[in-house]
Parts: sequence; C-alpha cells; structure tokens
Amino acid sequence: SQQGEEDPQALSIQEGENATMNCSYKTSINNLQWYRQNSGRGLVHLILIRSNEREKHSGRLRVTLDTSKKSSSLLITASRAADTASYFCATAGSSNTGKLIFGQGTTLQVKP
Amino acid sequence: DVKVTQSSRYLVKRTGEKVFLECVQDMDHENMFWYRQDPGLGLRLIYFSYDVKMKEKGDIPEGYSVSREKKERFSLILESASTNQTSMYLCASSSLGGGDYNEQFFGPGTRLTVL
Repeated sequence: SQQGEEDPQALSIQEGENATMNCSYKTSINNLQWYRQNSGRGLVHLILIRSNEREKHSGRLRVTLDTSKKSSSLLITASRAADTASYFCATAGSSNTGKLIFGQGTTLQVKP
Repeated sequence: DVKVTQSSRYLVKRTGEKVFLECVQDMDHENMFWYRQDPGLGLRLIYFSYDVKMKEKGDIPEGYSVSREKKERFSLILESASTNQTSMYLCASSSLGGGDYNEQFFGPGTRLTVL
C-alpha cells in the first residue's frame, strides 16, 4: 500500500533557487527517509529523520518532520542543474521491520 | 564502496517465458527487497526477505516468486511472464531493522519488457 503522498508531483525551478517538496503519510512511523533517483537509475538515500526529531540538515538539504500533521518537507537550497532528479519520501513503520513504504515521488527539474 | 548489483540493465522476454532477475549485495545485509516501479505508481514492494530461505509477500506478489538460498543473493522469478509485468524492477538491501540502520541500498534497476 502506498502511504506517502508527495506534493508537488513535478517542480521546475531556476538554478540558484530553493526547491521544497512535501510528503504526507497515514500511519505512525519510526523514521522517515528521503531518496533521490536519477533518470533510469536506482534510488540513493539522502537523509533520515527519526520520529522524535523535528528538523535535520545535511549540506544543502533540510528536512522537517511534523508527526502531529503526519507530514515532512525536503528543502534543497541553492539548487544546481545536477539536482535534477526524482525525490521520494519513504516511511518506516513504528514496528520497524526494515520495510519502507515509498511515496510516488516529486520530479524536480533545475534549469541552468 | 558498498554495492548492490542486478544481473541485467535491460531485458526483453516473450509472453509465457520464465524470467529470472538476480540481485547480489556485498554488505552482508539481512534484508533484501524487490520492488517494481511504474510511472505514477511509485515503488511497490513485491517481496521481502529478512534471512536466508525466509520471505514475505509485499503489496503485489501475484505472478512472482522469490528465492534466497544465500545471504547475498535474492532472485525474483516471473513464472510465466505477461505484458503487464513490463516495468522497472529494483532490488534493495538493508541491515536488520532498527533505528538508523534500515537505510536501503538500491541496485541500478532492470528494465524488463515483455512482448
């Protein structure tokens, strides 16, 4: 079952601008993760935020988590053309079996 | 450098053929996963294995089976391929669930076309 819903489905911005993607989920979680996928390739893990954390940073990435609203956002600051990819959120359930439920993804295009 | 490899990047098969997709990981991970990815549907879990010879159905197991005889290898089998199984297949692995340790590592994917 697909838990995560991502918004927007597609985003097009100019290089140097910030990109914000949102993810909503339905059930309680242990953690939420963001992945990136370049066209035709596998996914690459970007960042993980635990259910007891509200914000996390990694380089130009900033992730927030609001468990009361069951939502998360991924902010990419000062975007580059190389950031062009699809971005997926994935949730690990509170039982934390190792399984993740992925959202449908946001396709980001960064124009040079 | 950690790695998950898949046996083929592109595969073309005929309806009714038996298809094997192989996945190998070199990280000594307990968990291995098979997903299919279709436009507009995101990643859907087909099967999951948390140990050798152990498997669990995912969300869309119909028409598929899996085999895990060795810890590093997880095979996806299409017993009789059909055109609606044309898709991108992604394999992933992770260490045993818990805390920060269930980041999944993905292979490059196999794009399967069934004619």
